[in-house]
Amino acid sequence: GDSVTQMEGPVTLSEEAFLTINCTYTATGYPSLFWYVQYPGEGLQLLLKATKADDKGSNKGFEATYRKETTSFHLEKGSVQVSDSAVYFCALSVTRGGNKLTFGTGTQLKVEL
Amino acid sequence: GAVVSQHPSWVICKSGTSVKIECRSLDFQATTMFWYRQFPKQSLMLMATSNEGSKATYEQGVEKDKFLINHASLTLSTLTVTSAHPEDSSFYICSAPGTGFTEAFFGQGTRLTVV
Repeated sequence: GDSVTQMEGPVTLSEEAFLTINCTYTATGYPSLFWYVQYPGEGLQLLLKATKADDKGSNKGFEATYRKETTSFHLEKGSVQVSDSAVYFCALSVTRGGNKLTFGTGTQLKVEL
Repeated sequence: GAVVSQHPSWVICKSGTSVKIECRSLDFQATTMFWYRQFPKQSLMLMATSNEGSKATYEQGVEKDKFLINHASLTLSTLTVTSAHPEDSSFYICSAPGTGFTEAFFGQGTRLTVV
């Protein structure tokens, strides 16, 4: 079946550090890939997405590139801020519009001054 | 963007009682909604697909008689946890596809604690 594997957290970084959260997937067909973010006490918000190979999703300084050859969708940000502290979920969907999602376990990011 | 509102945001109930959670699409219609559950330090797991005007589709291992889903209108789906037990304590969250099925929009989630 479909699955998503992401690096375990928590990840603790200093402000302005470089962030990478690894995500790999297995899926039948050609999935769409997503990163969702969950801030403390809130629901999930879509951070970025990519729908086909070599697409790069980007938002709020975060980027991720859909790598079909390595079945990966690693999340990166060049300079994190304290406000980026949250839980980040990698997800995939093989249904139209990404509405039935398979999630990774989530990676908690804590950014300190 | 589209807004999905979930209520309540948190609830504490006694073991053996039932709890209803509402999921509303505020500015769009949703013939389909999805219910997920998230245990501490684990990922979101899809529980069921709620279909307006018809029966919900449950994922393997999810008890349909315990987690009752009703999707009576194009903007409202409800999840009722019946005869709740402490092991049902979890974070429940719903999502709905936006117009054109371009992405999924999530509610704020409901933290259920059964004591």
